[in-house]
Amino acid sequence: ILNVEQSPQSLHVQEGDSTNFTCSFPSSNFYALHWYRWETAKSPEALFVMTLNGDEKKKGRISATLNTKEGYSYLYIKGSQPEDSATYLCASRGDTGNQFYFGTGTSLTVIP
Amino acid sequence: DAGITQSPRHKVTETGTPVTLRCHQTENHRYMYWYRQDPGHGLRLIHYSYGVKDTDKGEVSDGYSVSRSKTEDFLLTLESATSSQTSVYFCAIGGSDQNIQYFGAGTRLSVL
Repeated sequence: ILNVEQSPQSLHVQEGDSTNFTCSFPSSNFYALHWYRWETAKSPEALFVMTLNGDEKKKGRISATLNTKEGYSYLYIKGSQPEDSATYLCASRGDTGNQFYFGTGTSLTVIP
Repeated sequence: DAGITQSPRHKVTETGTPVTLRCHQTENHRYMYWYRQDPGHGLRLIHYSYGVKDTDKGEVSDGYSVSRSKTEDFLLTLESATSSQTSVYFCAIGGSDQNIQYFGAGTRLSVL
């Protein structure tokens, strides 16, 4: 079992603020990391697949970085909007077995 | 929901009864997964499949069994439901062991 941790657990920001949160995972035997966005009453939707140390991915105002040597990934949201309100999940997989282990998520609320 | 259908969407059952949840995909993806989602735990993998008749246990497999007799269907069975199995169950599919997962809409199961 991989221990995947996310922080903070929840976050409230004002519209227009930029924010970031962290996903920590075991650095040994790293294989891949996923970020998902999960809106209330919906299903998780994939944001990024990250595999290489130093990876940077971007989709609109959301971006992510990956450091496999120290075992963390950051998700950044620039100029937060109310529609960004959701829970953001990360999931990590080691190079043995086929399962991803999910963190408990960071719940983001953007206040208009 | 990327061609994934879970049924039923809601179910209430009694302790000790068998329950089967169905996940059906139209994407021809190789990998299929069953997760449960509980407060404070995030998504935890129950079982997954990497092909027809090929399945493996996940993190929380006790009390559950699965079957995959054809590519498009992945069944999750609770042999004798217990109250601790009250949860929201999500099916997911993926094209490879690295690819993102696409999630179904979820099944809310209550065991009384």
